[in-house]
Amino acid sequence: TQLLEQSPQFLSIQEGENLTVYCNSSSVFSSLQWYRQEPGEGPVLLVTVVTGGEVKKLKRLTFQFGDARKDSSLHITAAQPGDTGLYLCAGANPDDMRFGAGTRLTVKP
Amino acid sequence: NAGVTQTPKFQVLKTGQSMTLQCAQDMNHEYMSWYRQDPGMGLRLIHYSVGAGITDQGEVPNGYNVSRSTTEDFPLRLLSAAPSQTSVYFCASSSRGWASGATDTQYFGPGTRLTVL
Repeated sequence: TQLLEQSPQFLSIQEGENLTVYCNSSSVFSSLQWYRQEPGEGPVLLVTVVTGGEVKKLKRLTFQFGDARKDSSLHITAAQPGDTGLYLCAGANPDDMRFGAGTRLTVKP
Repeated sequence: NAGVTQTPKFQVLKTGQSMTLQCAQDMNHEYMSWYRQDPGMGLRLIHYSVGAGITDQGEVPNGYNVSRSTTEDFPLRLLSAAPSQTSVYFCASSSRGWASGATDTQYFGPGTRLTVL
């Protein structure tokens, strides 16, 4: 059983659509990070959130950290084919770093 | 800067063989970590180091050894490879790490794809 559950596991949408992916846990984290990974490469950090209720925006991407610091969401507005990839969340505490299994997003032109 | 480099990119071993996966970074980062990535499992932390001479275990340390004699290098050793160790291995580094409560960017290498027959 994953400590961090990501949903959906797979998502295929058309260019221009909006989407939200989720990262849920029963554990509290000091910080939560979102990464994007492309085939054959290592993950690349998108954002780090540390405060419960925090919302961060990165162009068309909006990240939210839950008030209780147990869950997070990533919302993409007007998705583009370049957004295609595996989106991973990772929760950190001083004695641990855990990743979710990821959401594999495909954006079709 | 080359960032985080890993060698080899691909490796096939037979059960019982030993090998060392190499990882180097040129960013003078204190924190270095090893992860394995398996389908449907995400990345799992194997071992990490908060500085030269200091290492600690992660979520799945069994079957792997590490040492950190320099800031730049953090090799991962498989002493007797098993089919269950077939995976993609990623090395990462950051200036500071989660153990200190920091949230610095973790930079990942390109990975080593290991198959154990």
